[in-house]
Amino acid sequence: SAVISQKPSRDICQRGTSLTIQCQVDSQVTMMFWYRQQPGQSLTLIATANQGSEATYESGFVIDKFPISRPNLTFSTLTVSNMSPEDSSIYLCSVELDSNQPQHFGDGTRLSIL
Amino acid sequence: AQSVSQHNHHVILSEAASLELGCNYSYGGTVNLFWYVQYPGQHLQLLLKYFSGDPLVKGIKGFEAEFIKSKFSFNLRKPSVQWSDTAEYFCAVNAPGGFKTIFGAGTRLFVKA
Repeated sequence: SAVISQKPSRDICQRGTSLTIQCQVDSQVTMMFWYRQQPGQSLTLIATANQGSEATYESGFVIDKFPISRPNLTFSTLTVSNMSPEDSSIYLCSVELDSNQPQHFGDGTRLSIL
Repeated sequence: AQSVSQHNHHVILSEAASLELGCNYSYGGTVNLFWYVQYPGQHLQLLLKYFSGDPLVKGIKGFEAEFIKSKFSFNLRKPSVQWSDTAEYFCAVNAPGGFKTIFGAGTRLFVKA
């Protein structure tokens, strides 16, 4: 298994600002994922972040809005840029130890934009 | 495109009642199937998973799920629920070597004491 730490756990931000969310894993993993869980909805995959390459974004998500860094095998960041109230959501980091294992999730970052 | 459907968005049961939550997916190839649970204020946790073998899978806390390939279904069951089972339950699917994990919309279960 893997232990995933996300920071911050929650934040309240002003419209137009940006926030960077950090995800730290206690072991080296190849595949890291960023999800969004909007109020009352399921998880939506934002992007897949592999170390040493550009993140792969899902339909409806773009790098300018959600830039991702993956500097090493234990760490990743997701930035939510130029925030608007529609970005209010829980953002979750997830890792996959190998393709035949379930994903492990962090506690999430609850983001509210005023 | 691949998708996962959970038929019930909200379920209310009394303690000791039996539970069955429906999950159907749309993909014709080999899949891995999961049920996750999210207790109030907590992160997602794996309840059980199916990769291959016996289609009846037993997970934690008395939950089980049955994979019926012909019906593209992976329903979650528990014979007797407890108040502590109040949570949101997510069905998820991925394809080994294929698409990444996608989640159903979730089912909110409320168990009355």
